[in-house]
This record gives sequence, structure tokens and C-alpha cells, in this order.
Amino acid sequence: AQKVTQAQTEISVVEKEDVTLDCVYETRDTTYYLFWYKQPPSGELVFLIRRNSFDEQNEISGRYSWNFQKSTSSFNFTITASQVVDSAVYFCALSEVGTGTASKLTFGTGTRLQVTL
Amino acid sequence: KAGVTQTPRYLIKTRGQQVTLSCSPISGHRSVSWYQQTPGQGLQFLFEYFSETQRNKGNFPGRFSGRQFSNSRSEMNVSTLELGDSALYLCASSLGDRNEQFFGPGTRLTVL
Repeated sequence: AQKVTQAQTEISVVEKEDVTLDCVYETRDTTYYLFWYKQPPSGELVFLIRRNSFDEQNEISGRYSWNFQKSTSSFNFTITASQVVDSAVYFCALSEVGTGTASKLTFGTGTRLQVTL
Repeated sequence: KAGVTQTPRYLIKTRGQQVTLSCSPISGHRSVSWYQQTPGQGLQFLFEYFSETQRNKGNFPGRFSGRQFSNSRSEMNVSTLELGDSALYLCASSLGDRNEQFFGPGTRLTVL
């Protein structure tokens, strides 16, 4: 069965620091998607990125970057020069395509990021 | 383009009652998924509907059901409410099962 582990429960940083959120996943499927979502205090999950299992290229979007490594089953998320507005809970998620359940997202337990001035 | 909308945003019910939650997907999206979020269990997949058919289902009891209408709007129903059903219920829509899911603001259900 698929599983997503986010070992960091809570991280506190000072504004402008870089921070990396870890995500380790387990799946027997060879075709799958990985996601990151942000959940601010308002509660709505905000989509950040989706990667498929065949694309290991790292991606950068502004201050955000993602490092996907199949060899270690990890999909880590780095925020450069963090800002107070980055404070939220961040979720990593996995969906398996080969099992016909691509619509089912399996989420990690989330990492609460607190950025202070 | 308007995002996913969910109604109502807040709901208080008592044990044994039933409740219906509504979700309107992003225009053009045909897949609607439902998730339950609780402090203890985290985010858990309930079910997914596509073109009015339930395509995938999570590990929840039969008290949890849903449906999708021809305009892709979806409803979920929980019968015989239990205290443990208190949660944030999130709806997500996507173009298809291999596309990213966009979430609504959620319905916070409290069961007393």
C-alpha cells in the first residue's frame, strides 16, 4: 500500500532563512504522481506542484524549489528566503496511476511551518 | 474562473442526525473527490466521482455516501452521525483523474 511520511511535524524559522520540508514516499506502482499542497489557517488546500514518476528534473518556481529523487523515494520542498506569509501547514501527497486510483491522493501528516520576524 | 465552492461552510449537528454537504467544481472539471480531515487521522480520501459515477472509494463505512449530478456538482451525505464524524470535509475538482486537484474551502462539521 502507498504511504507518505513527513517526519518533520513543525519547523520554526526566522524570516529570510531557507527551509527544506522533507517527504518520503512508498509505493509499488511504477507510475505515480507526487504533489505538494499548502494549507494556510483559512483551511483551503492550495496546490503547489505535481510531478510524475518519470520526470526527476528538479523544478524551481520563484522562491520555491523541489528535489525529486527516485533512488531515495523522496520529494523534498525548499523555500528560499522564507517570508511570514509562508507560514502554513504543508502536505506532500502521492497518487498511483497503475492501480487505477490516480484520483486518490494519499497525504502525509503535514509539516507546520512557522516563519517569524 | 471561479474556484471550487462548498456549502455550507459550517454545520453543527447532533448524534444520529444526517447531513448533506454540497460541492460545485471549477467550470469544465468533471472529476470531484471528497476528503475528510481530522486532527487524529489527517487527510483521508472518501470517494471520487466522474461523469456521475463513483470511480474510487476510500475506507469509510457505508454511512458515507455521495453522488454527482450531470452538471458535475456533487453532494456527500453522512447518515447516523457519530461524534467522530466531526471534521473538515474538503472537496476537490480536476479535469480528470491524472490532473491536479484543486480544493474548495471545506465544510467544517461539528457533531454534538
